[in-house]
Amino acid sequence: GAVVSQHPSRVICKSGTSVKIECRSLDFQATTMFWYRQFPKQSLMLMATSNEGSKATYEQGVEKDKFLINHASLTLSTLTVTSAHPEDSSFYICSARLGGGGPDTQYFGPGTRLTVL
Amino acid sequence: DAKTTQPPSMDCAEGRAANLPCNHSTISGNEYVYWYRQIHSQGPQYIIHGLKNNETNEMASLIITEDRKSSTLILPHATLRDTAVYYCIALFGNEKLTFGTGTRLTIIP
Repeated sequence: GAVVSQHPSRVICKSGTSVKIECRSLDFQATTMFWYRQFPKQSLMLMATSNEGSKATYEQGVEKDKFLINHASLTLSTLTVTSAHPEDSSFYICSARLGGGGPDTQYFGPGTRLTVL
Repeated sequence: DAKTTQPPSMDCAEGRAANLPCNHSTISGNEYVYWYRQIHSQGPQYIIHGLKNNETNEMASLIITEDRKSSTLILPHATLRDTAVYYCIALFGNEKLTFGTGTRLTIIP
């Protein structure tokens, strides 16, 4: 149980285009999902918290107009990288929080590798 | 979140038990200790968590000292597939996860 999927697994795009990444909790409902970014040889950095039915909460230094997050249902959150540039190339990972009956646990997707040319 | 300290790297022979230490001397009474691992180019994988008591599941055992200032994750019979970066994180039950640098565990054939 507690499986999270991401689509696509990798994407290559031209500079200036927008890219949408989907994150789905397959066997549980998640009112809260999270988006992380990881550059080579670095640890994961939290970008934002995605809340079902409300606006996302962004971490300091993350541009909300550039990284659009939509959490339209209890099983789906999307991250859109708008007007992508080469410096946005990174490994993007989502997680979904499973709660109930104890401390919540976050389960992670397999990640999406974005390359912007 | 309480700060955690882990050794940057460790080696372990295949088939032996891998014992990964974590210090969390400033942990508060309601903070849990969570362990995740990240295999290269994959998303992090949840391993185990605990509050006060030792915990065991199909993946690992978590030993927490009585004063809760440190803990040890034990992989009982390490395999090559256990090579990964292991993260020890202390946080309250509904807090968001933030990752430090973890311990890079290499299983040696």
